[in-house]
Amino acid sequence: AQSVTQPDIHITVSEGASLELRCNYSYGATPYLFWYVQSPGQGLQLLLKYFSGDTLVQGIKGFEAEFKRSQSSFNLRKPSVHWSDAAEYFCAAPPSGATNKLIFGTGTLLAVQP
Amino acid sequence: DAGITQSPRHKVTETGTPVTLRCHQTENHRYMYWYRQDPGHGLRLIHYSYGVKDTDKGEVSDGYSVSRSKTEDFLLTLESATSSQTSVYFCAISESDRDHEQYFGPGTRLTVT
Repeated sequence: AQSVTQPDIHITVSEGASLELRCNYSYGATPYLFWYVQSPGQGLQLLLKYFSGDTLVQGIKGFEAEFKRSQSSFNLRKPSVHWSDAAEYFCAAPPSGATNKLIFGTGTLLAVQP
Repeated sequence: DAGITQSPRHKVTETGTPVTLRCHQTENHRYMYWYRQDPGHGLRLIHYSYGVKDTDKGEVSDGYSVSRSKTEDFLLTLESATSSQTSVYFCAISESDRDHEQYFGPGTRLTVT
């Protein structure tokens, strides 16, 4: 079955440090891929998305993600983390053959140290 | 932000009672979804709708039913609430089945005692 895996449950980084959150997917064809962010007590907000074309996509709040077919990965990056980036991050992709649903990873909780 | 509201935002209910959660959108989007969020599980799809009166099951649909009588409203009903249904419930909407992009409501925290 198709799946989206986020290997890191919790990550702690210092403010100003760089960040990389991992996401792996298991699909045959090139999937649509998404990253969402959830601040405490809030709903999910779309950070960025990949459909096709350039494998490096830019999103809101200074985030970017790179699609690597050879590694089945879509990792989220930010060069310098701000305290306001503390949140939970979810990777998502549609299951193969389903055009109107998403499968979500289990999330990575990011803590930012001053 | 997409115009999505959920009501109530918080609810405490007793085991065995019926509960209905409401999702309301002002975007006129075709697709609507109900998810539950639990620690260690991410978001799991309960039911979704692809039009008025058109609904289908998700991966965790047991114990839940839905209805969509108008484009803007999608109701989730727990016929007889159980403690295992204590969770945070999110509604989402999507305009088309081409780009899969979904927009989320603020969530409803449900506690079943």
